[in-house]
Amino acid sequence: SQQGEEDPQALSIQEGENATMNCSYKTSINNLQWYRQNSGRGLVHLILIRSNEREKHSGRLRVTLDTSKKSSSLLITASRAADTASYFCATDKRADSWGKLQFGAGTQVVVTP
Amino acid sequence: GAVVSQHPSRVICKSGTSVKIECRSLDFQATTMFWYRQFPKQSLMLMATSNEGSKATYEQGVEKDKFLINHASLTLSTLTVTSAHPEDSSFYICSARRTRDEQYFGPGTRLTVT
Repeated sequence: SQQGEEDPQALSIQEGENATMNCSYKTSINNLQWYRQNSGRGLVHLILIRSNEREKHSGRLRVTLDTSKKSSSLLITASRAADTASYFCATDKRADSWGKLQFGAGTQVVVTP
Repeated sequence: GAVVSQHPSRVICKSGTSVKIECRSLDFQATTMFWYRQFPKQSLMLMATSNEGSKATYEQGVEKDKFLINHASLTLSTLTVTSAHPEDSSFYICSARRTRDEQYFGPGTRLTVT
């Protein structure tokens, strides 16, 4: 079963705008990761945030994590047409399941020039 | 970053036949690899964990006799879809775990069963 719910399901923005997507999950986690997938292709790892971290940046990406609300957000600033893709959050749960990721439903982002 | 390959990238087979998909970590050793399945416009669902030198562990609802996994070496895991049916048509993606937190995904294999 899927651990995460993401919203929105789809997002359409213009180049230069910011894109924000949210992920909620149900159980305790080791870490939460965000991935990008271009249509019909494999996954590209974007960023990992650990359960004891609250915010992380990587280039134009900003990720927040609120473990009390079991939610995370991904912000892409100054979006480009090349950012058009599906974005997934994935949680790595506690205990003996290191690496077994459960993916959210994904947000399909379209950035128009 | 580390590289994981999958072969083949696309395969079409007839109903009732078996198909083998390979997942290789090209520049690191992976004692653990994972197999995921993705239906069109849906998310990835974990199917099984492949452990080098031991039996794979399957997620609930995944038929282990239908999806045979062999992790023969530290750089290779194979997924064999046995007696494939049209409903097995999907995008199969593997990942290889490099460290506790790092895993790298292959480019995926699109299986079409006719």
